[in-house]
Amino acid sequence: GAVVSQHPSRVICKSGTSVKIECRSLDFQATTMFWYRQFPKQSLMLMATSNEGSKATYEQGVEKDKFLINHASLTLSTLTVTSAHPEDSSFYICSALQEGRAYNEQFFGPGTRLTVL
Amino acid sequence: AQKITQTQPGMFVQEKEAVTLDCTYDTSDQSYGLFWYKQPSSGEMIFLIYQGSYDEQNATEGRYSLNFQKARKSANLVISASQLGDSAMYFCAMRGGFQKLVFGTGTRLLVSP
Repeated sequence: GAVVSQHPSRVICKSGTSVKIECRSLDFQATTMFWYRQFPKQSLMLMATSNEGSKATYEQGVEKDKFLINHASLTLSTLTVTSAHPEDSSFYICSALQEGRAYNEQFFGPGTRLTVL
Repeated sequence: AQKITQTQPGMFVQEKEAVTLDCTYDTSDQSYGLFWYKQPSSGEMIFLIYQGSYDEQNATEGRYSLNFQKARKSANLVISASQLGDSAMYFCAMRGGFQKLVFGTGTRLLVSP
């Protein structure tokens, strides 16, 4: 199956700093990627849809200026958490949409665990 | 809007037994897709099985099968011959507009020896 990587897998940062998370589709091109957030023992919540060459589409309640998304190429989307605070600590997961398959499957990255001190 | 409901926070099963994880959904769309994912403690989301709303037959993938009852709007996952490695969180999801996935709250499965 298709492979999606995320980097870093874990990051610890100080409050007020910015953190960038990369999501790469390794063996296919993805015009659409998705960013999810998962709090402990909870479900995945979609934050935004990342579209190559255009602005991201954010879900209701997600701060655009805080969670900057850039889909610079057909294989790379980045999520930057700006001025991070402890409440931003969470597990962030990306997925890449592989169109053309029988059911347009989303392939998930391994996730990034962010801890803000 | 789509909604997924998983009413079982946790399930226990003995090794080699079968287990059914419940999932009901709500949508006004005629065409939709239903997915099941497994999330072990490492956090990765592992695709298990897919069922399209127009598929007449229940989907099967190895030990996984999906009991799709369209009139009841249910898409239960059946795992046959459970293994210790099946212990994980299981999420039911529906594909909505713009290819977005809506997830249920998940069921934690624990397989005992």
